[in-house]
Amino acid sequence: DTEVTQTPKHLVMGMTNKKSLKCEQHMGHRAMYWYKQKAKKPPELMFVYSYEKLSINESVPSRFSPECPNSSLLNLHLHALQPEDSALYLCASSHFSRGDTQYFGPGTRLTVL
Amino acid sequence: GEDVEQSLFLSVREGDSSVINCTYTDSSSTYLYWYKQEPGAGLQLLTYIFSNMDMKQDQRLTVLLNKKDKHLSLRIADTQTGDSAIYFCAESDGAGSYQLTFGKGTKLSVIP
Repeated sequence: DTEVTQTPKHLVMGMTNKKSLKCEQHMGHRAMYWYKQKAKKPPELMFVYSYEKLSINESVPSRFSPECPNSSLLNLHLHALQPEDSALYLCASSHFSRGDTQYFGPGTRLTVL
Repeated sequence: GEDVEQSLFLSVREGDSSVINCTYTDSSSTYLYWYKQEPGAGLQLLTYIFSNMDMKQDQRLTVLLNKKDKHLSLRIADTQTGDSAIYFCAESDGAGSYQLTFGKGTKLSVIP
């Protein structure tokens, strides 16, 4: 089973709202990733967690706050977003970390009004 | 830095073979991947090839790697309408970076 699940599937929020995206995998993977994908573009890496520790933050604005409560769960907390943050947010996981095959979830379609 | 290039569009008739091409610049690439993305969906891993291989076949999919020319191709035999999607080529480097470098994606349209 190579399934990564993400909730919610769709999210609409105002610029003053606080919301969270959730990602889960039960493959025993120890690396988890957040990507942002704008329409007609490839995914862009935002954050990487390895063994539940933040390993990479690709200069993402602080209005995006990741959290890894355990090895199966990854959250992305959203606060004071801008309309240009509207995108598809993809979670991925891999067995360990560097160079391993990444498996992606279905994504959360976020619209910021 | 690393770069991955793909043509943006490909149109084929149902039942024909599709060939999607990709070139990359990083000579230390370790793994090369093909992901499929249907409208509104996430990325589905189709197949991958290790850089010391020339070819990999998996049912209707054939991946060819020419390491000298840094050229990767994905052939889909007997293309079906369900194959219509965007196909991303991606590479991870030999230094074991977390980063996947993606091409811009090739939109495959299958004509019934």
